[in-house]
Amino acid sequence: DAGVTQSPTHLIKTRGQQVTLRCSPKSGHDTVSWYQQALGQGPQFIFQYYEEEERQRGNFPDRFSGHQFPNYSSELNVNALLLGDSALYLCASSQQGAMTGELFFGEGSRLTVL
Amino acid sequence: QQQVKQSPQSLIVQKGGISIINCAYENTAFDYFPWYQQFPGKGPALLIAIRPDVSEKKEGRFTISFNKSAKQFSLHIMDSQPGDSATYFCAAQTHSSASKIIFGSGTRLSIRP
Repeated sequence: DAGVTQSPTHLIKTRGQQVTLRCSPKSGHDTVSWYQQALGQGPQFIFQYYEEEERQRGNFPDRFSGHQFPNYSSELNVNALLLGDSALYLCASSQQGAMTGELFFGEGSRLTVL
Repeated sequence: QQQVKQSPQSLIVQKGGISIINCAYENTAFDYFPWYQQFPGKGPALLIAIRPDVSEKKEGRFTISFNKSAKQFSLHIMDSQPGDSATYFCAAQTHSSASKIIFGSGTRLSIRP
């Protein structure tokens, strides 16, 4: 049973560029959340997708957008990259309505903005 | 109101010792308090979690102590092992926003052999 898979694992972009990160949730999960983890910090919630719609959003600008596909996979898009966007981007999946509240995280995509 | 404060930032413990990490929260709407363990190059993984209706939860060598009135909770790792060396995050969630985890800033734990 594959867990949460993310791609790419590492990428380097320059300021002003755009980036797309991809996530496949754990089998049986229908909800995907994205988190940004700056070096030495805890992950910060970006947004959550369920039934192909953004359901919740954290304190991130509109440059951060996403999408969920019918197969529950998801993309995170970041436009007009800033140096401060350099971070590990984590995808987490869960099953809507699950009692445990547990999220399963992928290994992340490390973005470096030069 | 959304913040979870965690201490210490780093911790060094001798093998066999007890590791203790502390957290405090502000938002009384939180109703689920997980601890996540993260190894270098990996995503966080759920270690143990507690709901505020109990004061303690133990799973093997890991114990959460919860003080609802003080809005504080802590992780105790008994008989700490070198394999426990990782970064630990306390966190908080509300049932209505289960995917929105509020993480602490993390504690880098090193267990000396």
